[in-house]
Amino acid sequence: SAVISQKPSRDICQRGTSLTIQCQVDSQVTMMFWYRQQPGQSLTLIATANQGSEATYESGFVIDKFPISRPNLTFSTLTVSNMSPEDSSIYLCSVEDRGGPSYEQYFGPGTRLTVT
Amino acid sequence: AQSVSQHNHHVILSEAASLELGCNYSYGGTVNLFWYVQYPGQHLQLLLKYFSGDPLVKGIKGFEAEFIKSKFSFNLRKPSVQWSDTAEYFCAVRRDNYGQNFVFGPGTRLSVLP
Repeated sequence: SAVISQKPSRDICQRGTSLTIQCQVDSQVTMMFWYRQQPGQSLTLIATANQGSEATYESGFVIDKFPISRPNLTFSTLTVSNMSPEDSSIYLCSVEDRGGPSYEQYFGPGTRLTVT
Repeated sequence: AQSVSQHNHHVILSEAASLELGCNYSYGGTVNLFWYVQYPGQHLQLLLKYFSGDPLVKGIKGFEAEFIKSKFSFNLRKPSVQWSDTAEYFCAVRRDNYGQNFVFGPGTRLSVLP
């Protein structure tokens, strides 16, 4: 299994500012994912980040708003840009383990963002 | 579009009651199925998963789930719940060999009364 840490664990930000969230994994992984979990709702995939290539964004999410970096196989960042109160959410990093015949996703603890 | 539904938004049970949480998905073909649990203040953990073989899957903490292909369902069960099972439960589906993405259901909040 993979152990994932995220920084910061929580933050309160003013509208119009940007926040960069870091995700660190204790092993090398090909696929990293960023999710958003809005209050009382399920997880929504923002983008898939592969090392050495541009991130792939899901419908409704754009690179200008959520730029992602993936400089190596153990680290990624997600920036929430020009924030508004609607961006208040928990942002989760996850990785996919392809060991053996099955796939499993491991999740970080999340970053709780409040935009005022 | 991929769709995963969970029957109940909030379930309240007393300790020792039996639990069944429904999960349905909306497409055919080969799927991989998962149940994740999120305890209060903690991050998501995998309860169990189905890839192939026996459609009755046993997971951690006494949970099991049954894949019924004809009903597009993957319901989660536990014969006797405990107060410590209070959590949010998410069903997730991954279409085999169709991209890398998991699609999560809306979640079911389980409250177990002592």
